[in-house]
Amino acid sequence: IAGITQAPTSQILAAGRRMTLRCTQDMRHNAMYWYRQDLGLGLRLIHYSNTAGTTGKGEVPDGYSVSRANTDDFPLTLASAVPSQTSVYFCASRRGAIAGDEQFFGPGTRLTVL
Amino acid sequence: TQLLKQSPQFLSIQEGENLTVYCNSSSVFSSLQWYRQEPGEGPVLLVTVVTGGEVKKLKRLTFQFGDARKDSSLHITAAQPGDTGLYLCAGATGANNLFFGTGTRLTVIP
Repeated sequence: IAGITQAPTSQILAAGRRMTLRCTQDMRHNAMYWYRQDLGLGLRLIHYSNTAGTTGKGEVPDGYSVSRANTDDFPLTLASAVPSQTSVYFCASRRGAIAGDEQFFGPGTRLTVL
Repeated sequence: TQLLKQSPQFLSIQEGENLTVYCNSSSVFSSLQWYRQEPGEGPVLLVTVVTGGEVKKLKRLTFQFGDARKDSSLHITAAQPGDTGLYLCAGATGANNLFFGTGTRLTVIP
């Protein structure tokens, strides 16, 4: 079934540890996104990539980095995790360059930083 | 910066009742989307509205984009337990990004 997969499903992490959240899509979409979802704050954009080889900063990029070596994969790295990064992380993709096009979301990764 | 505020944040109603969810901002959007999210899953697109004043209907759901393209509403007629979920509005301001609202968690009691 075509779509977006994320791994791991959930993770408990000690503060100060490095962590990479994985995201893979098989729809050949050009644009990909990472969001975090916190209660009362909705979804906030961390980083995005309009096409393979390019990335950009979203609303809340501090403490996170991304890479886009190919079309399908868009990993999100926390270099040194802090408790405020406890959240549910969603990866999304979009076929075209128009912001109003549909975004397709993965199932999310629930991350707890202690 | 939270551009979009939704109200109410939580809503619990009986099956068969009608309800309206609001999405408000001081910013103008080129388009606005509504998503629904179920527990343990990512959001799924319900509708996109583009023109100020536009009204779209999806079965029992009616979506309206404000004339000034700063706000939107979602009206559900005769709510059913299957409508339970988190409803998110999202506005597009440029080429890249969507700004999501704070969300409305709806519970429909059988």
